[in-house]
Amino acid sequence: DADVTQTPRNRITKTGKRIMLECSQTKGHDRMYWYRQDPGLGLQLIYYSFDVKDINKGEISDGYSVSRQAQAKFSLSLESAIPNQTALYFCATSQDGVGGYTFGSGTRLTVV
Amino acid sequence: RKEVEQDPGPFNVPEGATVAFNCTYSNSASQSFFWYRQDCRKEPKLLMSVYSSGNEDGRFTAQLNRASQYISLLIRDSKLSDSATYLCVVKAGGSYIPTFGRGTSLIVHP
Repeated sequence: DADVTQTPRNRITKTGKRIMLECSQTKGHDRMYWYRQDPGLGLQLIYYSFDVKDINKGEISDGYSVSRQAQAKFSLSLESAIPNQTALYFCATSQDGVGGYTFGSGTRLTVV
Repeated sequence: RKEVEQDPGPFNVPEGATVAFNCTYSNSASQSFFWYRQDCRKEPKLLMSVYSSGNEDGRFTAQLNRASQYISLLIRDSKLSDSATYLCVVKAGGSYIPTFGRGTSLIVHP
């Protein structure tokens, strides 16, 4: 099994719908992140969490919310999806930020 | 100026060639540096950390130049399988989050 698992892998949804992307990890890392990636724009940080009680906005948090249900689970919600939220979404984890970051396989989201 | 800048490329090289990428960063307080590899539509994967004294892993060599604020990645004897996008990652001391470059595309052809 993968260390960081994202579900679903692919999703097509309609404008205005609420959608949740889920991330779970078995690495025992405290820190979890949600990124989106658009062609040519690199990875943009949406939200990050350093423990269950800690949630922080990233550079592009508008239109998104998150929930850290447990140390191992960090979900991302789009409250009312819009077409420009079509992107590849990655969850990542790290232990202390000094070491590297482990990414999930990504969720390809299309909003029509 | 962007915090982390990379030449997007693509760098188009023949098999067996040596190729080098640079990544410049603007925050002089940066303390942790990494190179990641990302294949098309896949997740980024850690290639190597970059240490102050430079480090090597097989055909890959990473170096840090603090004075000029850049890191480099050298790939020797390029393989077709090296074709990917290479992301540099920088984290400042005291910062909680990393900054990713947009990546440099490498295409190795026969």
